[in-house]
Amino acid sequence: GAGVSQSPSNKVTEKGKDVELRCDPISGHTALYWYRQSLGQGLEFLIYFQGNSAPDKSGLPSDRFSAERTGGSVSTLTIQRTQQEDSAVYLCASSSGLAGSWLFFGEGSRLTVL
Amino acid sequence: GDSVTQMEGPVTLSEEAFLTINCTYTATGYPSLFWYVQYPGEGLQLLLKATKADDKGSNKGFEATYRKETTSFHLEKGSVQVSDSAVYFCALISGGFKTIFGAGTRLFVKA
Repeated sequence: GAGVSQSPSNKVTEKGKDVELRCDPISGHTALYWYRQSLGQGLEFLIYFQGNSAPDKSGLPSDRFSAERTGGSVSTLTIQRTQQEDSAVYLCASSSGLAGSWLFFGEGSRLTVL
Repeated sequence: GDSVTQMEGPVTLSEEAFLTINCTYTATGYPSLFWYVQYPGEGLQLLLKATKADDKGSNKGFEATYRKETTSFHLEKGSVQVSDSAVYFCALISGGFKTIFGAGTRLFVKA
């Protein structure tokens, strides 16, 4: 597609529910990233994909968080048993995958856990 | 580990004022350095970049020079406009593919 697309743009859920956030990267981009941006904070790295594999999952906060990428394209970030501290904007970005290449971001999915 | 430190905001300036947002980094090897900008209601986007020492990145009147000796990449603009109001993030990639971001600096420009 023309840009990185994320859905839903807004999600309100109750504590303890599972949520799925979707990212559709720019066509042809092999690298895909998930970041979390909490209110007034910087960007916290969560996970990075190169193709369908995830060489770096070091930022996932707990085992309630998981992500997958299929067909080298769409990625889903899943948060199980959501907690109030999971409330944040979840940003997806993609890049060409070449060393040093910059990121193209989606507009984010705002998650609110009540 | 690698890290980026940038000045806390918010920064409030009048139109046509000179802007500097400080950014310093810690990294192994020779990182590529970036400034990203997030305008109100929009996603982050690349503003400028520099890939080696003494490189100057520039875009939309903004400039930043890669200073290896001071491990800095300060963002400057000679004359800011109201439309420059945004959050600015300094970032680096070192070695692998993980981009590390600073905490962001919010800029308000008054007419």
